[in-house]
Amino acid sequence: GQQLNQSPQSMFIQEGEDVSMNCTSSSIFNTWLWYKQDPGEGPVLLIALYKAGELTSNGRLTAQFGITRKDSFLNISASIPSDVGIYFCAGHYAGGTSYGKLTFGQGTILTVHP
Amino acid sequence: NAGVTQTPKFQVLKTGQSMTLQCAQDMNHEYMSWYRQDPGMGLRLIHYSVGAGITDQGEVPNGYNVSRSTTEDFPLRLLSAAPSQTSVYFCASTNGPEAFFGQGTRLTVV
Repeated sequence: GQQLNQSPQSMFIQEGEDVSMNCTSSSIFNTWLWYKQDPGEGPVLLIALYKAGELTSNGRLTAQFGITRKDSFLNISASIPSDVGIYFCAGHYAGGTSYGKLTFGQGTILTVHP
Repeated sequence: NAGVTQTPKFQVLKTGQSMTLQCAQDMNHEYMSWYRQDPGMGLRLIHYSVGAGITDQGEVPNGYNVSRSTTEDFPLRLLSAAPSQTSVYFCASTNGPEAFFGQGTRLTVV
């Protein structure tokens, strides 16, 4: 099956710093998604990317869909304490029996020190 | 608008016991799925459904059963719980590629 490699596995940063994380895949995807999970909660969708090369922002978050369709990155600018959590990338391939299924990366645990 | 509701939030089972994790959505989405989350492994797909009466296996289906009698409900059944099924379980309702998750059920099998 498709595999996603997400890096880094964890990050410890100071408040105000910028953050960058990325995902790479062995196969192409039609859609890349980025989720955030707070402790004890389910993942919440942050950004969805639908076209190769697409660059999308949501407040302090910026994500890009790689032109090869096999990678994506997420940047967080000027981090604040509430950015703490686990960030997941997910890929969606809208073909054949894969329709509707998401493949997730292993997650990046973000810790922000005040 | 509740979105995706999962019950219970926490559960402890003894090895060999059975139970059903409940999931309900009020967004009228056709596609629903169950994932399990284990440390360092992201979320892995257990079973999914593309509509009432239609289900299929995901990446890690062994030990779990599902059924989909209505658009709103998608329960997950553990027939004979094993310690390897200790995990956090998430139900999701999907609109196209965008999945919306419930709050999760933390299951411990002893």
